[in-house]
Amino acid sequence: AQKITQTQPGMFVQEKEAVTLDCTYDTSDPSYGLFWYKQPSSGEMIFLIYQGSYDQQNATEGRYSLNFQKARKSANLVISASQLGDSAMYFCAMREGTNQFYFGTGTSLTVIP
Amino acid sequence: KAGVTQTPRYLIKTRGQQVTLSCSPISGHRSVSWYQQTPGQGLQFLFEYFSETQRNKGNFPGRFSGRQFSNSRSEMNVSTLELGDSALYLCASSSTGPTQETQYFGPGTRLLVL
Repeated sequence: AQKITQTQPGMFVQEKEAVTLDCTYDTSDPSYGLFWYKQPSSGEMIFLIYQGSYDQQNATEGRYSLNFQKARKSANLVISASQLGDSAMYFCAMREGTNQFYFGTGTSLTVIP
Repeated sequence: KAGVTQTPRYLIKTRGQQVTLSCSPISGHRSVSWYQQTPGQGLQFLFEYFSETQRNKGNFPGRFSGRQFSNSRSEMNVSTLELGDSALYLCASSSTGPTQETQYFGPGTRLLVL
């Protein structure tokens, strides 16, 4: 089974609108971390936000927030007030303990002016 | 703090040759992971080194190998290059501490095999 599933290959959003990128995960380990990365066309992976499995509150970092629904094993990324510079690939990832990171297949986000 | 650096940034090789890529982690980070990214296969995990020991390994043939030095710098070697090895190779480092430490990526090395 896939550890990380991102079901949206491509998304479009109007500038200044909010957008939600979906991510579901599969693990039986009670201790894990969830991450979101942004990859612009330049290729570099940029860390956006982290959520620990024991965190009670949803993580937020500026315009990014993570909608963590543990029972549903979902960790959606919400980008508020989209900007043109947000156009990029977005990857959801998970790590269980000291195991490797597992990445999803990514979602390509295009912000329309 | 300086970020993760990778050298070289671009590389062109021919089939059958071998190549060595280098990664310098963020100062103080002891874990280095390597990934291969292609349009068809997405982001695939190669291996992770922690304190000079391979901690995790992905599902790649033995032509792909790596090592880590005492200063945490890491190298990845690919022998007998194949056309399918053309990819963006990303290195990421993370610190010690809580198990779910965040990985920070370098700019990558773009390898083209002709």
